[in-house]
Formats: sequence, structure tokens, C-alpha cells
Amino acid sequence: SQTIHQWPATLVQPVGSPLSLECTVEGTSNPNLYWYRQAAGRGLQLLFYSVGIGQISSEVPQNLSASRPQDRQFILSSKKLLLSDSGFYLCAWRPRQGEAFFGQGTRLTVV
Amino acid sequence: AQSVSQHNHHVILSEAASLELGCNYSYGGTVNLFWYVQYPGQHLQLLLKYFSGDPLVKGIKGFEAEFIKSKFSFNLRKPSVQWSDTAEYFCAVNIDDYKLSFGAGTTVTVRA
Repeated sequence: SQTIHQWPATLVQPVGSPLSLECTVEGTSNPNLYWYRQAAGRGLQLLFYSVGIGQISSEVPQNLSASRPQDRQFILSSKKLLLSDSGFYLCAWRPRQGEAFFGQGTRLTVV
Repeated sequence: AQSVSQHNHHVILSEAASLELGCNYSYGGTVNLFWYVQYPGQHLQLLLKYFSGDPLVKGIKGFEAEFIKSKFSFNLRKPSVQWSDTAEYFCAVNIDDYKLSFGAGTTVTVRA
């Protein structure tokens, strides 16, 4: 069966520090991969999605970037965090057509 | 651009009341539609989905949704809610193999 791992679960980082959140999927190949940010009252905002290694689509301009160095690995990064980057980040995968499966999420607090 | 609108931000109702949550999307082509639920402290999980065929879709826990193409809607319903249905509900739409967009969510509070 397929599983998705996302870490860390919580993270407190100072303003200006770098960020790296990692997401890996097991039990499937060539999945579509997604990064979302969940904010109260705003639902899930799609940040990035990827349909293959090295292929990244960005949905909103921001201080974050994403990379997919391997088929089942998706990384969310920032060179210098801003206070406004605080939030709850969710990784998800889905097959070419089908439902999305979500990781546990990372609560990021920038201080 | 594709968008997903959920009309109600917060719904409060009593046990055994009926529930209907609205969802509309803005895209004129073929869509796949989903409703997800997030119980307090838990992951997002799928309630039901529509790909094709019968526009009335049955999901888990007694939920159902109806796809009305002419209205670009996919409303979620449950005839009689329970306290355990207290959660946040998200409508989601994808228009191709890749993008999956979510609505802002509706918080449902069921009072015993």
C-alpha cells in the first residue's frame, strides 16, 4: 500500500533562516506531488505541484521554492524565511487521476 | 483561472438536523470533484468523489453529493447529522491530470 511521510511535524525557525521540508511517498511510482498551505478560513492554498522529476509548477509568487530530485521525493524550501511564511504545510500525492492523499503536515512558526 | 467557492464559512446545527454544504466551481470543461473532511486533530480524508456517471454520489458515513453540471455545483448533504460530524469540510476540483484546487472550507459544529 502507498504511504506518505512528511517531516518535521513542527518547526520553529527565526526570520531570515533557511527552510527545508521533506516529503516522500512509498508504494507508488510517478505520482503527482503537491505542496499546500492551510490557513484558517482560507482552505488549502496550492503552492506547488510536480508531475515528474525536476518538473515544478508554481501557483503563487512567494518566498518559497520546491524541488523534486527523485520520483517520490518533494522538497519545500526557502533561502530566507519571513514572518508571513508561518503556517501549516501539507504535502500530498495522487495518481494521474484520482483522489489526493495527504501527509501529516508541518506546523511552521517563524519567530 | 479555476476557482472553488464554498458558500458557508461556519455552520452550527443540532444533532439529527439535515446538512447541506454548497460548493461551486468556475470551469466549463470536464472536472473531477471531491469532498474531504478534517476531524479535529486528524488528517484530511476523502468523503466522496465524482468522476463520471451517476451525478448523485454516495460517500462514507452517510454523506452524499450531487453534481449539477449546469449549475457548476457539487453540494454535500447528510440527512441527519451526529455530534461526531463536527469537522471542517473541503470541496476540491481538478480540471486535468495535475492541478487539484480546494475551497476555503466550511466548519461544521454539531451540538448534542
